[in-house]
Amino acid sequence: DAGVTQSPTHLIKTRGQHVTLRCSPISGHKSVSWYQQVLGQGPQFIFQYYEKEERGRGNFPDRFSARQFPNYSSELNVNALLLGDSALYLCASSSPVGELFFGEGSRLTVL
Amino acid sequence: AQSVTQLDSQVPVFEEAPVELRCNYSSSVSVYLFWYVQYPNQGLQLLLKYLSGSTLVESINGFEAEFNKSQTSFHLRKPSVHISDTAEYFCAVNFYTGTAIKLTFGTGTRLQVTL
Repeated sequence: DAGVTQSPTHLIKTRGQHVTLRCSPISGHKSVSWYQQVLGQGPQFIFQYYEKEERGRGNFPDRFSARQFPNYSSELNVNALLLGDSALYLCASSSPVGELFFGEGSRLTVL
Repeated sequence: AQSVTQLDSQVPVFEEAPVELRCNYSSSVSVYLFWYVQYPNQGLQLLLKYLSGSTLVESINGFEAEFNKSQTSFHLRKPSVHISDTAEYFCAVNFYTGTAIKLTFGTGTRLQVTL
């Protein structure tokens, strides 16, 4: 079975631009979460979606938004990019017992 | 306040030596506990978890961790490390509130195994 897949794996943007990151969960998992990992730090929770509804949101500005589709895949959108948004963005899908399985991440560089 | 602390940012160890990576948390609610490993330029891999039951949990590659409720700890141990264990290790806690599945991560411990 395929694990969590994310795209793109790497991307470079400039300040003020917009970015969309995509995630497909493990087959059968209905929940998707997004985390931001800045270099040298632990991941920080951004969003969790379950059955297309937002279940939780971390301490991130409104420039960050997400959605989940009927097939349980998800998109993370970031508007008006700042240099500080440079990070590894990790998507995770949750098993029914609450284990999170992470994808390889999308590495965003903002210049 | 709910928090996760990994006191050791780096742990150097010789191959075949034992190692312990420490994790403490602060919480007023029930917790689920996890250890994740991250190799360079990769995502996080679930190493082991405590959800309920036996407080000693083991992974398939020789790591173990013990949930100590009184000391609010979930230290990771391995009796004999290998070069391939070199990686970043993250302790993560799900402070159960009945709504979101949200992990709070520690800052990570870099395990460096040398010959």
